[in-house]
Amino acid sequence: AQSVTQLGSHVSVSEGALVLLRCNYSSSVPPYLFWYVQYPNQGLQLLLKYTTGATLVKGINGFEAEFKKSETSFHLTKPSAHMSDAAEYFCAVRNSGYSTLTFGKGTMLLVSP
Amino acid sequence: DAEITQSPRHKITETGRQVTLACHQTWNHNNMFWYRQDLGHGLRLIHYSYGVQDTNKGEVSDGYSVSRSNTEDLPLTLESAASSQTSVYFCASSDSLVKEQFFGPGTRLTVL
Repeated sequence: AQSVTQLGSHVSVSEGALVLLRCNYSSSVPPYLFWYVQYPNQGLQLLLKYTTGATLVKGINGFEAEFKKSETSFHLTKPSAHMSDAAEYFCAVRNSGYSTLTFGKGTMLLVSP
Repeated sequence: DAEITQSPRHKITETGRQVTLACHQTWNHNNMFWYRQDLGHGLRLIHYSYGVQDTNKGEVSDGYSVSRSNTEDLPLTLESAASSQTSVYFCASSDSLVKEQFFGPGTRLTVL
């Protein structure tokens, strides 16, 4: 079965600093990978996804992620954090042969002025 | 615009009562999912459906049931609510081609 590990339940950065949220997955087949963002009291919103093709994926709000098969990683980055980026971020992998997703436990991004 | 809605947004109930949470999507997606979100656990899959009359158990299905009588709706029923089922519940939908899931706004359920 697929699994997802997000390193760090909380990550703190200063406004303008690099954002790096880590995600490692396990999958027996080429994975479909997703990053979602959740703002307080809201549902999850898709940031970006990797299915096939280019391994560097660009998403909304200036985020991007790189699929590295050799490292089984799909880390999320943004060059310069903004206060509005403060939210919880979830990495997910599509389960092989199914349309279900397995989610990581989430990383709360805190942005200080 | 297509959307996915959940009702009620907040619900307080008592232990032992039957509770039904509604989920309605206008994406015309075949696949629908129910998750619960708890601190420290992320999102965990409760039940899912790939189409009308199809339902499947997820990771944490005990105490929950779903039924799919049409494409648009997947209600989640707690047969006899327990305090351990206090959580935030999210409904989602997808189709096989698009692959990503679209989420509703959530229902916060408190079982006293």
